[in-house]
Formats: sequence, C-alpha cells, structure tokens
Amino acid sequence: ETVLTQSPDTLSLSPGERVTLSCRASQSVSSSYLAWYQQKPGQAPNLLIYGASSRATGIPDRFSGSGSGTDFTLTISRLEPEDFAVYYCQQYGDSQLTFGGGTKVEIK
Amino acid sequence: EVQLVESGGGLIQPGGSLRLSCAASGFTFSSYAMSWVRQAPGKGLEWVSVIFGGDSTYYADSVKGRFTISRDNSKNTLYLQMNSLRAEDTAVYYCARESIRGYRDFDYWGQGTLVTVSS
Repeated sequence: ETVLTQSPDTLSLSPGERVTLSCRASQSVSSSYLAWYQQKPGQAPNLLIYGASSRATGIPDRFSGSGSGTDFTLTISRLEPEDFAVYYCQQYGDSQLTFGGGTKVEIK
Repeated sequence: EVQLVESGGGLIQPGGSLRLSCAASGFTFSSYAMSWVRQAPGKGLEWVSVIFGGDSTYYADSVKGRFTISRDNSKNTLYLQMNSLRAEDTAVYYCARESIRGYRDFDYWGQGTLVTVSS
C-alpha cells in the first residue's frame, strides 16, 4: 500500500499569503492518479486538482498542483478567507486508493 | 444536478451488521465507478471500497471479508453491507462518484451518514 505523508500538519497564515502544501508518497505514484481535495468543517470533501495539476470544474486559478514521482505540491497563490480548511491528497495504485493525513490551513 | 444521498447509519453494537445506501440522481449511474470513503471523528479520510460499472469490486484491507459493496443500477443506488462491526469502524461514511475521465479522482460526494459502533 502506498502511504501518503502530508506536511505540515497545520499552517497558520493570514489572508493574502501564499501557501505551499506537500504530499510525499512512500513509492512512485503516476501523476495521472494524484488528486487534492479541500474539506471544510461539517462538509464533504471537494475536488480541487486531479491528474496532479489539472483544476477541477469551477476551481479558481489561485489553486495549482504540481509534482511527480513521490513528491507533489498544492499551491494557493493568495489565500482568500474561504480557503481556510483541511486539504487532503489522494492517490491510486495497485487497486488501492489512499489519502494523506491532511494539512489544516488556519487563520493566524 | 448530480446528487448523492446516503442513509442507513446509526448506533450499532460491536459484532453487529448495518447496511448503508446511497441514492444517486442527475447522471447515468451505471456508467460510473462508485466508492465508499469514511472519516472517523476528528480524523482523516479513508477509502473503503469501490465498485465499477461492470460490478468488479475492491476493498481496503481494513474491511476486506467484513464489508460488501454492491449496486442496483435499476434503482440508481449504491450499497455497503457492513458485518462484524468494530469500534474502529465508527465514522461518517461518504459515497463518492469517480470521475469519468479515469483518473481515479472523486468529483462528487454525498453529505455522509454517521455509523457509531458502541455497546
């Protein structure tokens, strides 16, 4: 099973700041099979990025994804108030899907 | 509009059984792979199981042999039969649709149903 490790666990930031979230895999992941989600309290997750770098429908262009192999990154170019949430990466490999443990982006 | 509505959660004793349902609408249900993903209270997301349009199924090791995923395409409904429930199965269970593009990402999610396993 491929383990995804997200870092840091929590980020305390102010609106307008740039955010970089890390997702590291225990073995190589096909870029086609790496996705990012945002989850707000009491809500279901919402797809942000698929295929490592493609934005899902309706996602603002301040969100971008990059990476390959074992290292992937989600970047928010300028934090808006509605972006404070938990972010998860997710991969598929060997008939198993796994999620990272999440990174919480909180207001400083 | 795509909608996924889960039901069937509740309080169940350890060792008991429960069946979750997910009613789908707004898309051609039979054409999509569907998954169950769970989230223990205050914890992260855990993929549980997937069923493809052709009825092939896969499970996380943590539930293999205890849970069974199925679908009724005539009723546009996804199911999860959960047997031999344990305290660690306590979670919100989401049904999620895999996108048609084949990237194994989930483009729509239900709002979830809470399963509590406790005596």
